[in-house]
Amino acid sequence: DGGITQSPKYLFRKEGQNVTLSCEQNLNHDAMYWYRQDPGQGLRLIYYSQIVNDFQKGDIAEGYSVSREKKESFPLTVTSAQKNPTAFYLCASSQQGIEDSPLHFGNGTRLTVT
Amino acid sequence: AQSVTQLGSHVSVSEGALVLLRCNYSSSVPPYLFWYVQYPNQGLQLLLKYTSAATLVKGINGFEAEFKKSETSFHLTKPSAHMSDAAEYFCGVSGGNNRLAFGKGNQVVVIP
Repeated sequence: DGGITQSPKYLFRKEGQNVTLSCEQNLNHDAMYWYRQDPGQGLRLIYYSQIVNDFQKGDIAEGYSVSREKKESFPLTVTSAQKNPTAFYLCASSQQGIEDSPLHFGNGTRLTVT
Repeated sequence: AQSVTQLGSHVSVSEGALVLLRCNYSSSVPPYLFWYVQYPNQGLQLLLKYTSAATLVKGINGFEAEFKKSETSFHLTKPSAHMSDAAEYFCGVSGGNNRLAFGKGNQVVVIP
């Protein structure tokens, strides 16, 4: 079945370490997105990519980095510069044009930094 | 830029009663509007979407929403709540720029 795979489901890191969250999709979607979810804050867009080798900052990109070397993969690195990295991270994808192809989401990675 | 307001972070409803979740949006261009549902520790699933066709949109699991331009609203309803409706619900808006902005969500609790 086609879908989005995020791994790992739970991730623990020490403060000051960079960590990379994996997101892979086999839906042949062009666009991919990273959202951060905090209790009571909803989902906030970190980065998105509409095509391979291109990506744009979302609303809260500071302290994060991404790459899009392959259509099916969009890894997110949480750097030590991110002041409050503990959160639930969701990856999503869509065909070009959200109005015709709404977002499909992975099951998320819960990151805890201590 | 687009934005969404969802009031009332927690909503309690009795089993069999009407579910009503309110969503108001702000958009400088004709919006595309969505409702998603999230079950614990999972991603979001699309319930329904409005993309400038019929203003009353029917979705999965008996939910529907009505687009009212004059009120900039897209409220979600279900006539009779079921225990399985307990989840978090998010309203989202896009302005055709392939970015989707979400509200803060409503946690729905169904009381037996």
